[in-house]
Amino acid sequence: AQSVTQPDIHITVSEGASLELRCNYSYGATPYLFWYVQSPGQGLQLLLKYFSGDTLVQGIKGFEAEFKRSQSSFNLRKPSVHWSDAAEYFCAVGPYNNNDMRFGAGTRLTVKP
Amino acid sequence: NAGVTQTPKFQVLKTGQSMTLQCAQDMNHNSMYWYRQDPGMGLRLIYYSASEGTTDKGEVPNGYNVSRLNKREFSLRLESAAPSQTSVYFCASSDRPWGSPLHFGNGTRLTVT
Repeated sequence: AQSVTQPDIHITVSEGASLELRCNYSYGATPYLFWYVQSPGQGLQLLLKYFSGDTLVQGIKGFEAEFKRSQSSFNLRKPSVHWSDAAEYFCAVGPYNNNDMRFGAGTRLTVKP
Repeated sequence: NAGVTQTPKFQVLKTGQSMTLQCAQDMNHNSMYWYRQDPGMGLRLIYYSASEGTTDKGEVPNGYNVSRLNKREFSLRLESAAPSQTSVYFCASSDRPWGSPLHFGNGTRLTVT
């Protein structure tokens, strides 16, 4: 069963526009939640994480995400996208079996000039 | 600071051949991981090592073996490669088994013909 769903395979936004990438999950308890970014030919880099506490978390590069328990969502947002934000974004949820996290299929972001 | 280093970057194998993917980290992390990334499926955990001397299966371990050679190095071996193992392989490390960010290498692109 899919543990993490990223409904949008590909999103295109104009530079300077706002961005929201969706992530929905299924998990039996309060999960640990992560967003990672992957540039072409590179490994994944952590943008932000949620473990507990304030449901709005700030990350690097001006990104933020909000944990909404009632909607089982952890959407990633940025108020103004830069051309350098073009990349693939992965949501991840865990733990499973004490040491595993499950990744969504990813959302590829294209930024138009 | 190199972080997580994977070799080789690219590899082409014929069905039935064997090979070892190498991974080394210089961050003194205890935990190391091998993931595979396939289009539309995100990353899936193959094996992990919570600490030196221990290894455990992840979500998709069949057809693979691992060795945690020392604290720095964690290798992944394909004994008899199959076309289904065509993928991009990522090694990652973290300073504790769960809850801390993963640091990824840049990946190995493997094609099995």
